[in-house]
Amino acid sequence: GAVVSQHPSRVICKSGTSVKIECRSLDFQATTMFWYRQFPKQSLMLMATSNEGSKATYEQGVEKDKFLINHASLTLSTLTVTSAHPEDSSFYICSARHILSGDGNTIYFGEGSWLTVV
Amino acid sequence: DAKTTQPTSMDCAEGRAANLPCNHSTISGNEYVYWYRQIHSQGPQYIIHGLKNNETNEMASLIITEDRKSSTLILPHATLRDTAVYYCIVRVAGTYNNNDMRFGAGTRLTVKP
Repeated sequence: GAVVSQHPSRVICKSGTSVKIECRSLDFQATTMFWYRQFPKQSLMLMATSNEGSKATYEQGVEKDKFLINHASLTLSTLTVTSAHPEDSSFYICSARHILSGDGNTIYFGEGSWLTVV
Repeated sequence: DAKTTQPTSMDCAEGRAANLPCNHSTISGNEYVYWYRQIHSQGPQYIIHGLKNNETNEMASLIITEDRKSSTLILPHATLRDTAVYYCIVRVAGTYNNNDMRFGAGTRLTVKP
C-alpha cells in the first residue's frame, strides 16, 4: 500500500529556534502534499497545500512566513516552523495525494510529528 | 466540499459489527465518500471510499444509499484495536485540482471487551 513517512516523529526545541519536519511518499509520486496541525482533543486543521515545484497555498490564518513549506521533489515536502514559540507545540501531520490510485485522488497520511517548544 | 454529519461517539462490543453512520445530504454528483480513522497519537489511516456502489475491502464495507445522501461504514468484527476516531469526508474526484481533505469532528468509536 501507499506509504507516507514523516521525520522526526517527536522533536523538542527551544523557543525562538526553527525546526524542520520532513514528509516523504515512499512508494509513489505525490504532486500534491498537505500539511495539517492537530491540537489535543481537536480535529485536524488544514494548514497548507503544496504542489511540487511551486509555492504552497496557505489556509486563512496560517502565517506563511512562520510555517515555511518546500515541495522540491515528487516525494518530499518539508515544513519548517520558524522562530517557534510554545503555542506552536502541536501534532503536525502531512499527507500526499496518490495520483495513480484508482480514482487518482486517494490521500495517504504520515504518522505525524509531535513538536514541543520549551 | 459537502459537509458531513456524524454521531459524536459510539460504543461497540468486541467481535460484533460496528456500524458508523454518516449524513452528507448536500453531496454533489462528482463527490466521493471517503472514510479514514485516527488511532490516538497517529496519523489518519485510509479505510475505504466509494461513489455510488457499495464497496468492500479487507478492512471494512461501505454502504451508500441510493440517493447518496448518507452512508454507513461497517467493521464486520470489531476488535479492541479498532477503537479510534472515524472520519467521513466527501470530496471531488479527479486529478485536475488539489482536492484538499478537510476533517470534521468524526465519530469516536470505543470497542469494549
